[in-house]
Amino acid sequence: SQQGEEDPQALSIQEGENATMNCSYKTSINNLQWYRQNSGRGLVHLILIRSNEREKHSGRLRVTLDTSKKSSSLLITASRAADTASYFCATDWGGSNYKLTFGKGTLLTVNP
Amino acid sequence: NAGVTQTPKFQVLKTGQSMTLQCAQDMNHEYMSWYRQDPGMGLRLIHYSVGAGITDQGEVPNGYNVSRSTTEDFPLRLLSAAPSQTSVYFCASRGFAGGTGELFFGEGSRLTVL
Repeated sequence: SQQGEEDPQALSIQEGENATMNCSYKTSINNLQWYRQNSGRGLVHLILIRSNEREKHSGRLRVTLDTSKKSSSLLITASRAADTASYFCATDWGGSNYKLTFGKGTLLTVNP
Repeated sequence: NAGVTQTPKFQVLKTGQSMTLQCAQDMNHEYMSWYRQDPGMGLRLIHYSVGAGITDQGEVPNGYNVSRSTTEDFPLRLLSAAPSQTSVYFCASRGFAGGTGELFFGEGSRLTVL
């Protein structure tokens, strides 16, 4: 099935550093989304980038999309302890906007 | 607004028992879906609905039934629970069935099948 795969699986950094997570996917997409999940909670939408966009910013977040390489990256600048969470990329599946598939996530730990 | 509300938050079942996980949203969203989250597997789509009376299968529909009699509610039924259905279940909705848009998630229902 169409599925994004995040890399790395886990990332540990110090407060103030930047964190970069990557996502690769298999087939063409209409859009790619990033979500955050705090431990024991539901997922929260962070940002959506469409297939005709190359870069998007939202606060301390920067997302890039390279459709030729079928990959995306999420950069969190000046990280804070509160950014500690799992981050997931999600893509539509098989050309269908109805089926959003998620990768396995990157666990980010930001140490104070 | 409450957003997406899931009940129960925790449930323990014995193999073969049946139960229904409830999901309700108060945002008048057309689209609703159920995912399960397992360690090392990410989230997998079970079933989804694009409006009242319309449902379809996702990646892992076996062992689960859904119905959508109202816009607000999208219950997930386990007819005969199996240990392989031990998981965390998330309900998610978005405004329009078609097109793109962010999903709003509930807080999850943690199910253990013994």
